Amino acid sequence: SQQGEEDPQALSIQEGENATMNCSYKTSINNLQWYRQNSGRGLVHLILIRSNEREKHSGRLRVTLDTSKKSSSLLITASRAADTASYFCATDHTGGFKTIFGAGTRLFVKA
Amino acid sequence: DAGVIQSPRHEVTEMGQEVTLRCKPISGHNSLFWYRQTMMRGLELLIYFNNNVPIDDSGMPEDRFSAKMPNASFSTLKIQPSEPRDSAVYFCASSSEPHLAGAVTGELFFGEGSRLTVL
Repeated sequence: SQQGEEDPQALSIQEGENATMNCSYKTSINNLQWYRQNSGRGLVHLILIRSNEREKHSGRLRVTLDTSKKSSSLLITASRAADTASYFCATDHTGGFKTIFGAGTRLFVKA
Repeated sequence: DAGVIQSPRHEVTEMGQEVTLRCKPISGHNSLFWYRQTMMRGLELLIYFNNNVPIDDSGMPEDRFSAKMPNASFSTLKIQPSEPRDSAVYFCASSSEPHLAGAVTGELFFGEGSRLTVL
């Protein structure tokens, strides 16, 4: 079964708006990662946040992690048409050794 | 660095045929993963290797699937005989960090995938 589950499943916004995607998971984790996948391409790593971190930034990306709620969010600020892609959260859970991916959020940014 | 290289990018075959997918991980990476992606099931981990040794193959769907890593720079995923329900995109990914029980894992680097269609 999948460890992480994203919502919404799909999101459509205008260029320049912010996009927020959420991820929930079930068991304790060591870290949580976000990946992007453009249509027909492989996944590309965006950011990793460890279980003892609460927030991390990378350019226009902001990731938060709330281990008490077992949830994370990915915020893309000032979105661009080029941000159109699927976004996946991936978790490495405590005591395990697998990176498990959620079902993903499909983001469409309209120019 | 060329990144993770997969071949073929596209494969169309008939049911019952043998399919071999290939992967060259990033040089120096000691963990290698095979994932399968479908619309219905998303990304599923099939098998992963650490230092060329299979660590967990519990995701391999059936005995028809097998994977090998004869050396640090090459891995294959074989399906024999193939069936229409095996149609999917198969991804190989590598990592420089160990994915072992208790270890804190890190970033995965994915190839562009091999799109398999079994008729």
